[in-house]
Amino acid sequence: GESVGLHLPTLSVQEGDNSIINCAYSNSASDYFIWYKQESGKGPQFIIDIRSNMDKRQGQRVTVLLNKTVKHLSLQIAATQPGDSAVYFCAVGGDSNSGYALNFGKGTSLLVTP
Amino acid sequence: DSGVTQTPKHLITATGQRVTLRCSPRSGDLSVYWYQQSLDQGLQFLIQYYNGEERAKGNILERFSAQQFPDLHSELNLSSLELGDSALYFCASSVAGGPREQYFGPGTRLTVT
Repeated sequence: GESVGLHLPTLSVQEGDNSIINCAYSNSASDYFIWYKQESGKGPQFIIDIRSNMDKRQGQRVTVLLNKTVKHLSLQIAATQPGDSAVYFCAVGGDSNSGYALNFGKGTSLLVTP
Repeated sequence: DSGVTQTPKHLITATGQRVTLRCSPRSGDLSVYWYQQSLDQGLQFLIQYYNGEERAKGNILERFSAQQFPDLHSELNLSSLELGDSALYFCASSVAGGPREQYFGPGTRLTVT
């Protein structure tokens, strides 16, 4: 099955800096990728997604980059704010046999310091 | 607020007992997924329903079952509970059965003592 891993379990950045959170996946046939933010005591919150026919997608202060050659995904957060402190998960969409369920990585805990 | 609701928020029960977790998807969403989140296993897919029918199973134990009702709300039933079943249980909904963003509820924290 799909294996999804994060490069760093924790990341500490200063307020105002840019943050980059990385993720690797194993299945080259994977077609759908998604990032979630989870704050303490809450459910995962959708941030941004990307399909395999794209290599970059931008949202509000966030950018997702997909490198299919090395099976790597990253989330960039511009001008990181204290409210961005949370655990970030990347997930890879399964195929029709799995009902397109998401395979989650372990998560990176982002801490924004003033 | 994702629009997905889950009840109860917290549940404390004893080993061997049975509990039911309830989920209401976002208005218009036909697909419901159940996930378990534990410290050692992370977020793991359990089961999916689409418009009332079971579509896919993940790492769901035989002691666990689910259903989706005509009004599209879903229930996850956990029986013969063990200490290791203590976890956060999330439901997520999606507008369709294909690869789309899923919106998660606030979760139910189950503690088995």
